[in-house]
Formats: sequence, C-alpha cells, structure tokens
Amino acid sequence: QVQLVQSGAEVKKPGSSVKVSCKASGGPVSSYAISWVRQAPGQGLEWMGRIIPILDIANYAQKFQGRVTFTADKSTSTANMELSSLRSEDTAVYYCVAGSVGDYWGQGTLVTVSS
Amino acid sequence: EIVLTQSPGTLSLSPGERATLSCRASQSVSSSYLAWYQQKPGQAPRLLIHGASSRATGIPDRFSGSGSGTDFTLTISRLEPEDFAVYFCQQYGRSGVTFGGGTKVEIK
Repeated sequence: QVQLVQSGAEVKKPGSSVKVSCKASGGPVSSYAISWVRQAPGQGLEWMGRIIPILDIANYAQKFQGRVTFTADKSTSTANMELSSLRSEDTAVYYCVAGSVGDYWGQGTLVTVSS
Repeated sequence: EIVLTQSPGTLSLSPGERATLSCRASQSVSSSYLAWYQQKPGQAPRLLIHGASSRATGIPDRFSGSGSGTDFTLTISRLEPEDFAVYFCQQYGRSGVTFGGGTKVEIK
C-alpha cells in the first residue's frame, strides 16, 4: 500500500517562498507520477502540475508557470514542491498525489501566508 | 482549459435514498479520463471512480459512474451515513487536469 507523508504546516510572509516535501513508501512509487493539488479554505481543488520522477519531467499548470518548481529525489522517494512570491491567496492545504489518477494522497500541508 | 460544472451545489437527502450528482464539461472529455472523488472534513480526497465508470479498489458497489462526452453522473444507490460528504469530479486529459466545484451531500 502506497503511503505519502508530507512535511508539516508552514507560516510564511508575503513575497517569500515555501517548500513542501512528500515522502513515498510502499509499492512501485518510483514509476508513479506525483501531482500537486491545493485547496484554499472552504474551496475546491486546484491542480498545480505533476512530475514524473523516473523521467525527471515536470508539467506545470499555466496559472503557476514561473512561480512553482517540482523536484524529486529518487534515492529517497521524496518529491518536493516549491512555490515562490507567495501572496495571501496562496493560503491553502497542499496535497501531493501519486498514481495514474488520484490513487494515493498525502495528508496535506497547510501553508498560511500572512504578514 | 476544460471547465467542469457540478450540480447541484448541495443535495439534501436521507440515509437509504438515492443520490444523483452531475458533472458537465465545457468540451468533450474522453471517458477514460473522468474521475470522481469523495472528501470528508479534514481529510484528503479519496478516489471513487476512474475512467468514468470503474470503481477504485475497495469502493462499495453502491457507487457507480456513468456518462460520456460532456455529461457525467455519479450515483450512490442507497446512502449510508458515511456517504455524507463533498464529491468532486475531475478530468485528466492531455491538456491538463481540472476539477469541478464540488457537490455537498448533506443529511436532510
């Protein structure tokens, strides 16, 4: 059974950056794409993009192009999402998701952007 | 970008009743790339249906998905107490991934 464990909650100032990690275990995680999805408080789900660690190829949703970077460390089965130039609207729970569809989800990481 | 519109926004039903949730796309979605998720408060979403009609592992058969093109439906044949939650549809085609705004199924 694949498990995804994310890093802890973060509080950031506007204009700064945040990095969220996602460690995978169990199952053939190295072959899975890892997507990142966020959910603002009380709102719906928003796809940010995906990375295929085995190919080291990342695709970003147009909205986040230039502001988000996905990386993956195959040796530790860890994926990372870094979002820069943070603003209050980036306050959300960020999820990593593995699988061809949304088969496996991390527990979520709350990122709060506040001055 | 494909926009997904879910209706109704809220569905008020009693346990044992049938729930029918709609997801309409702004352009045609390959049936292979339409999924449904359930989300409960404070939890990550859980995959219910992929490929428009295939149940994910461990999902009870009271959940079923149908539809094609631009109109898709999630049906819960008989609501159990644990089914009261928010449901999202998702399309995951070549042009990217988008989610619907969600339907809340609440206890009447």
